[in-house]
Amino acid sequence: GAGVSQSPRYKVAKRGQDVALRCDPISGHVSLFWYQQALGQGPEFLTYFQNEAQLDKSGLPSDRFFAERPEGSVSTLKIQRTQQEDSAVYLCASSDRDRGLGGYTFGSGTRLTVV
Amino acid sequence: EDKVVQSPLSLVVHEGDTVTLNCSYEVTNFRSLLWYKQEKKAPTFLFMLTSSGIEKKSGRLSSILDKKELFSILNITATQTGDSAVYLCAAKSYNTDKLIFGTGTRLQVFP
Repeated sequence: GAGVSQSPRYKVAKRGQDVALRCDPISGHVSLFWYQQALGQGPEFLTYFQNEAQLDKSGLPSDRFFAERPEGSVSTLKIQRTQQEDSAVYLCASSDRDRGLGGYTFGSGTRLTVV
Repeated sequence: EDKVVQSPLSLVVHEGDTVTLNCSYEVTNFRSLLWYKQEKKAPTFLFMLTSSGIEKKSGRLSSILDKKELFSILNITATQTGDSAVYLCAAKSYNTDKLIFGTGTRLQVFP
């Protein structure tokens, strides 16, 4: 596709509910990143894939967070038993450079509100 | 711990003013510094800087990196209301592929 596509754009979840957020990167982009952006803050790294391999998941805040990219293209970020502190915008970014210097292309994000 | 600090946190100016946004970093094995503009949606890429002292320019925006003093500035001349946004600075190291972001500077330009 022309850009990084994320869905849904908005998600309201009741506390304790499981959610799944989808990211469709630019076609052919090897690297895919997930970031969490709380209100008034900069994006915080969650996890990184190179093709289907999850190379870094050091930013996932707890074992309730799980990400996958089984075929090296679309990725899903799953949050189990959501809590209020999970409310944030979840940004996905992709890059065509393997550990390169190029800038990343971000999607528009999914705004998650946990009530 | 690696970190990026931006200042000011917020800036309000009138159209036509010139603004300077600051970004300092402490990153082990530093590789590059990136600037993004974030309006209501996705951060959009502005500049990537890897070498000290070489100014990058795009229209009314310019940026420069000082690797000795560990900071970068983003200048916007003759500001317009369309420049209103959050400007994010991010650093990247050779050790990892992730970007380390600052909190951002919120710029508001009034007519």
